Amino acid sequence: DSGVTQTPKHLITATGQRVTLRCSPRSGDLSVYWYQQSLDQGLQFLIQYYNGEERAKGNILERFSAQQFPDLHSELNLSSLELGDSALYFCASSSSGDHTDTQYFGPGTRLTVL
Amino acid sequence: AQSVTQPDIHITVSEGASLELRCNYSYGATPYLFWYVQSPGQGLQLLLKYFSGDTLVQGIKGFEAEFKRSQSSFNLRKPSVHWSDAAEYFCAVGPTGFQKLVFGTGTRLLVSP
Repeated sequence: DSGVTQTPKHLITATGQRVTLRCSPRSGDLSVYWYQQSLDQGLQFLIQYYNGEERAKGNILERFSAQQFPDLHSELNLSSLELGDSALYFCASSSSGDHTDTQYFGPGTRLTVL
Repeated sequence: AQSVTQPDIHITVSEGASLELRCNYSYGATPYLFWYVQSPGQGLQLLLKYFSGDTLVQGIKGFEAEFKRSQSSFNLRKPSVHWSDAAEYFCAVGPTGFQKLVFGTGTRLLVSP
């Protein structure tokens, strides 16, 4: 158990809908990262937050957005969902967000878009 | 742009045999390199990482990896595989100063009795 929690574990929804994925980082960690793992794209970095502020952005679609709240939990919002958004979404956290930090991954949220 | 290649999609190893998983990276400067393992239904767990210094890095669960700059490689090794090592293994590179890990496509390890 990494100490990173993600809810829900599974999510099934329809095209065009909007969903919110939630992540609670390890106690004391200030930085949160979101990754998408799909069969065709592999594991891809989406976005990083540090202490409430966006720090780095990867291949995140404009339909997707994220935020980190004052209590340091983070939410990833996915809107206008398409079939291709079906994937496993991971959250990770690290203590300071420095490049030498270890990222601890949560168990993921499996999103299925029908 | 940085990239990571894991040329083996699947590898089958007999229990007790040695293991080597290949990883090649492309990055202009000195990379930060990582190996993660993903067990079925689980998140990713860090096995080891290389930032600088000794090119042979020891990790958890008896794994080690060797950084070879001349070959742009960071292969993962284990002298004796256990059935519980069956999982998917990801090599990743992180550019200096950032935490945007770039992952390879993964190698699925199967362990036969």
